[in-house]
Amino acid sequence: DVKVTQSSRYLVKRTGEKVFLECVQDMDHENMFWYRQDPGLGLRLIYFSYDVKMKEKGDIPEGYSVSREKKERFSLILESASTNQTSMYLCASSSPALAGHYEQYFGPGTRLTVT
Amino acid sequence: QQQVKQSPQSLIVQKGGISIINCAYENTAFDYFPWYQQFPGKGPALLIAIRPDVSEKKEGRFTISFNKSAKQFSLHIMDSQPGDSATYFCAASTDNFNKFYFGSGTKLNVKP
Repeated sequence: DVKVTQSSRYLVKRTGEKVFLECVQDMDHENMFWYRQDPGLGLRLIYFSYDVKMKEKGDIPEGYSVSREKKERFSLILESASTNQTSMYLCASSSPALAGHYEQYFGPGTRLTVT
Repeated sequence: QQQVKQSPQSLIVQKGGISIINCAYENTAFDYFPWYQQFPGKGPALLIAIRPDVSEKKEGRFTISFNKSAKQFSLHIMDSQPGDSATYFCAASTDNFNKFYFGSGTKLNVKP
């Protein structure tokens, strides 16, 4: 059974704090993604990674950075949290090695509140 | 600017009715169109997907209709059940690292 886990379900941080969101997948997937989900805006891609130590900006990377030191782990970092980063954060993984198989598997999400 | 536009934002359907959610796109390079279903407190999960070489795909009560010339695709849920109440996202992808572009989501409420 495929599994993507996220370190916290709920998180409350103060403005200006450095925040780390962790994601781990146990499927040996090459690709990993971070999205934020906001009502009426759907899922917007922040960053993705197609290999260890490789990263690419998504559609809304400002205010975020990422780290992928091991294949199974992808971290999202908010360098200095702001109230407009209050959101649901979703991690996903996929494997292009499976020919024609594009499914992204999602974790349960982390609801971050910045006060 | 969203690359995939989804409507309606919310939908209320009676049990046994048909739920229809529509999506439109502009990028003709998209070659994979999945629908994801998300229940409260859970991450989205793949429901059904289609490639542009077919006009329709059916899995149980769920059907994707695809109109390549109009650059539109839709999800039909036949005999809708209260257990189908969830948020539905359409998406589109090119063959580029499996990067998805998601629609804004539709919150479906099926009333008993």
